[in-house]
Amino acid sequence: QVQLQESGPGLVKPSQTLSLTCTVSGGSINTVGYYWNWIRQHPGKGLEWIGYIYYSGRTYYNPSLKSRVTISEDTSKNQFSLKLTSVTAADTALYYCAREEAGATPRLDYWGQGILVTVSS
Amino acid sequence: EIVLTQSPGTLSLSPGERATLSCRASQSVSSSYLAWYQQKPGQAPRLLIYGASSRATGIPDRFSGSGSGTDFSLAISRLEPEDFAVYYCQQSGSSPYTFGQGTKLQIK
Repeated sequence: QVQLQESGPGLVKPSQTLSLTCTVSGGSINTVGYYWNWIRQHPGKGLEWIGYIYYSGRTYYNPSLKSRVTISEDTSKNQFSLKLTSVTAADTALYYCAREEAGATPRLDYWGQGILVTVSS
Repeated sequence: EIVLTQSPGTLSLSPGERATLSCRASQSVSSSYLAWYQQKPGQAPRLLIYGASSRATGIPDRFSGSGSGTDFSLAISRLEPEDFAVYYCQQSGSSPYTFGQGTKLQIK
């Protein structure tokens, strides 16, 4: 059973960098055919896709966030990470990591429980 | 960016009734790239349907998905108490991936 767990600071100051890590168990992030996503949900709102990392560290980002986002991986720890720079209050959200089974019918089949990040001084 | 518009915003029904949720795309989406998720308060979204009509592992057969092009729907044949939640459609056929704004299914 694949499990994902987000970790990182719950409070970030405006203009600073938000850094989160997703630890994956029950499966390797090196496995071909899976994309490792970050998705966020503003309080009481819908879901916003941030981006993903996949095979050999290739990444793909939401154009609306691309200038501020970096997703990276540490295969030795079976983790992938999110960095979001120059944060503002608008970045306050519940951040999820999720596995996407890619291929002919892609789907986000496993999700972490989410971590709430508040941007405030 | 493909905008997904879900309707209704809120649906009030009783257990045992049938629910039909709609997801309309601003441009055509291949049915292979349309999924539905259920989210309960305090929980992460859970995959229900992928490829527009395939049920995810462990999802009861009272859940069914259909549609093509720009119009997709999720049906729940006989509502159980645990089905009352928020439902999201999502497309991954075009970047960026996008989600609908959600339909809240509440007990009448």
